[in-house]
Amino acid sequence: DGGITQSPKYLFRKEGQNVTLSCEQNLNHDAMYWYRQDPGQGLRLIYYSQIVNDFQKGDIAEGYSVSREKKESFPLTVTSAQKNPTAFYLCASSTRTGGYNEQFFGPGTRLTVL
Amino acid sequence: AQKVTQAQTEISVVEKEDVTLDCVYETRDTTYYLFWYKQPPSGELVFLIRRNSFDEQNEISGRYSWNFQKSTSSFNFTITASQVVDSAVYFCALSDPASTSYGKLTFGQGTILTVHP
Repeated sequence: DGGITQSPKYLFRKEGQNVTLSCEQNLNHDAMYWYRQDPGQGLRLIYYSQIVNDFQKGDIAEGYSVSREKKESFPLTVTSAQKNPTAFYLCASSTRTGGYNEQFFGPGTRLTVL
Repeated sequence: AQKVTQAQTEISVVEKEDVTLDCVYETRDTTYYLFWYKQPPSGELVFLIRRNSFDEQNEISGRYSWNFQKSTSSFNFTITASQVVDSAVYFCALSDPASTSYGKLTFGQGTILTVHP
């Protein structure tokens, strides 16, 4: 089955630690995205990537980093510089960038900082 | 700047009632796309519909229907004869391809729909 997988589903982190969230897709999509969701709020874009080895900052990139070494993979690292990292993180992909393409979402990772 | 407002934070209905979720958007561009997504308790967003700014025809898909009115900048979503499985968070989103090449999605705050048996 084609789709997007994110792991782990739940992640706990101590303050001051970096943590990496995994996102893999087998849809052969060029574009991939990372969003953050906080309670009662919509999704906010962290980073996006249009092609391999290229990525751009979204609205709330501070304290996060990404890489895009393979088309299928777009891992997100939450660094210790992110002041309030507890949130639900969603990865998405689309066939191309461009506003007409719907984005397909993974099941999400819930990150809690202890 | 783009903005999407979903004024209804939470809606509670009893099964078989009809329910309408409101979405109002702001954009300065003439070409744009509107989306609705459903987020069930599992967390994954599910794409429901896309509408471009030049197509004001209403759309019906089973129990779901969408009313796009450019004059009032609204893209409302109606569920007819609601069912418990419709319980979820629903997001309206706006994409503005004219000003960005990557089609950034601006999401509303979401409406939590609870359908009681």
